[in-house]
Amino acid sequence: DTGVSQDPRHKITKRGQNVTFRCDPISEHNRLYWYRQTLGQGPEFLTYFQNEAQLEKSRLLSDRFSAERPKGSFSTLEIQRTEQGDSAMYLCASSFKRTGVLIGLGEQFFGPGTRLTVL
Amino acid sequence: EDQVTQSPEALRLQEGESSSLNCSYTVSGLRGLFWYRQDPGKGPEFLFTLYSAGEEKEKERLKATLTKKESFLHITAPKPEDSATYLCAGTSGSARQLTFGSGTQLTVLP
Repeated sequence: DTGVSQDPRHKITKRGQNVTFRCDPISEHNRLYWYRQTLGQGPEFLTYFQNEAQLEKSRLLSDRFSAERPKGSFSTLEIQRTEQGDSAMYLCASSFKRTGVLIGLGEQFFGPGTRLTVL
Repeated sequence: EDQVTQSPEALRLQEGESSSLNCSYTVSGLRGLFWYRQDPGKGPEFLFTLYSAGEEKEKERLKATLTKKESFLHITAPKPEDSATYLCAGTSGSARQLTFGSGTQLTVLP
């Protein structure tokens, strides 16, 4: 299966600890997105990369959150000093966008998510 | 601010009972309207992209339509395996991210 993969699938941590999640996108995709989803809600955008460049960050992404995509391949999302309000499903998605093409937004394909529980 | 609203929040159907899910949006300069299916504990699964009013797309028992203000996901003769949460999302202008609604949780009873 060559879909988007995320690791770990589940993470339980104590308040104040740091956690890091990894996302491996579909290999030919040049865009990578992070979203957060809480129970009963749709995913909320956190940040987006085109290749290795982080081009957009949501106001939801506090200073405790940092994301990287070295070499434009996999990405990591780190949360420092976790709080109970950080408990959520963290979703990664990837898409492919050809430059100069007006039609075709590059549908986003999602991974299975990482479920974070902060005690 | 872009906003996507889905209704109803939950829908219970008998197997074979057709219905429609609604997605209304206030997205300035809408560039695309997306439908996803999400099963419990899993990531959203892409279903359709609609680009312009009047466009329709079909896949098995599902048909998505788009007007200038809303989109509908029609489910014809649903089966229990169609039970899931259906999410609608829009993207606008130069934005790359998706703005999601809260979803409609569909339950199809045998």
